[in-house]
Amino acid sequence: QVQLVESGGGVVQPGGSVRLSCVASGFFFNSFGMHWVRQAPGKGLEWVAFIRFDGSSEHYADSVRGRFTVSRDNSKKTLYLQLNSLRIEDSGLYYCGKDTRPKVATNVASWGQGTRVTVS
Amino acid sequence: QSALTQPASVSGSPGHSITIPCSGTSSDVGGFTYVSWYQQHPDEAPKLIIFDVASRPSGVSDRFSGSKSGNTASLTISGLQAEDEADYYCSSYTSNTTYVFGTGTRVSVL
Repeated sequence: QVQLVESGGGVVQPGGSVRLSCVASGFFFNSFGMHWVRQAPGKGLEWVAFIRFDGSSEHYADSVRGRFTVSRDNSKKTLYLQLNSLRIEDSGLYYCGKDTRPKVATNVASWGQGTRVTVS
Repeated sequence: QSALTQPASVSGSPGHSITIPCSGTSSDVGGFTYVSWYQQHPDEAPKLIIFDVASRPSGVSDRFSGSKSGNTASLTISGLQAEDEADYYCSSYTSNTTYVFGTGTRVSVL
């Protein structure tokens, strides 16, 4: 079955950086687009970024464009999110998710359990 | 890239049906068939329950159904059960090639 395991979260100072990782198993990682979604404490879901199956195209929410970078290493079945110039409002639980399609952000069919980032 | 609009809360009695609307624009909900719905119980990761407007993933109860009319999508839960108490989010692909979630709706079973 699909399994997604995030790591890399922690406490970071404003203006700082952190890199999140998501290790995938149970499916052909190199055949599907992947998402990052975050959720601030007590708040709703906010889509962050999407990357195509082959890593050739990335898409970002306006709130993070220019500060965050999504990437993937298909040989390691791992998705990454580099977070730079962090702000207080970037705090939250960061989920990685698998789409059902390879090239377009159409849905988040499978979710990890999340890794928490606290900017303070 | 504004969030799709959902009511903050909806409630219903066990066995009854409820419908959650999700209002967008022609640049998201109205323009594409990539509308999805997610269920999230407290302290759990979200779960996909509807994709492509009206399709259900394997294992999701047929009490959940989706539809769309113009710029508004809807999730209907029929035969409401106590386990349906959760937060529900709609989402859509957008014309900016991004993705957007709804504001979320808390469902209460009276």
